[in-house]
Amino acid sequence: DTAVSQTPKYLVTQMGNDKSIKCEQNLGHDTMYWYKQDSKKFLKIMFSYNNKELIINETVPNRFSPKSPDKAHLNLHINSLELGDSAVYFCASSQDLGRDGEQYFGPGTRLTVT
Amino acid sequence: SQKIEQNSEALNIQEGKTATLTCNYTNYSPAYLQWYRQDPGRGPVFLLLIRENEKEKRKERLKVTFDTTLKQSLFHITASQPADSATYLCAHTSGTYKYIFGTGTRLKVLA
Repeated sequence: DTAVSQTPKYLVTQMGNDKSIKCEQNLGHDTMYWYKQDSKKFLKIMFSYNNKELIINETVPNRFSPKSPDKAHLNLHINSLELGDSAVYFCASSQDLGRDGEQYFGPGTRLTVT
Repeated sequence: SQKIEQNSEALNIQEGKTATLTCNYTNYSPAYLQWYRQDPGRGPVFLLLIRENEKEKRKERLKVTFDTTLKQSLFHITASQPADSATYLCAHTSGTYKYIFGTGTRLKVLA
């Protein structure tokens, strides 16, 4: 069973479009995250949610809007896509907000904006 | 601002040798450090966590040390194998529950 799943795995779209990435975890975790990994492989946190509540919004443009309909899901909607949004986006989850909690990552969504 | 740096972008090592990867942090003292492995096209996978009051942690062929004086964590893979080739990331959580990742070290174990 996949612990953290994301769809789609690949997303190719044109500038100005709106797109969504979905994430689901079946681990019963309270906390979920979105990360962006750029072409230099640097992994940077974007958002974290705990029990559907936004905890961290890491100075991400407001074109990015996360939504957590329940504890098991955290979706990412991106409006007016730009070339610089091209990256791999990872969803992750952890048991709770404890700072020693290991994170479980999804397989990633490679977004290419042309 | 809090920074976490991994000194080597890439490291090549002969099979059977011990690989040692370095993670340095500045401007803060993390209570925990984590190490992850990332294979191409996949998400990071958690390997080990070490707390500031622990000098060393082991798991099979892996060993992590934490030196709060040097502000450094070392990650060792003993008896390295080609299957250990991957990118290794260190990470810590800041006081605001935000995970900060290092830039990663790409390890290649040569047969």
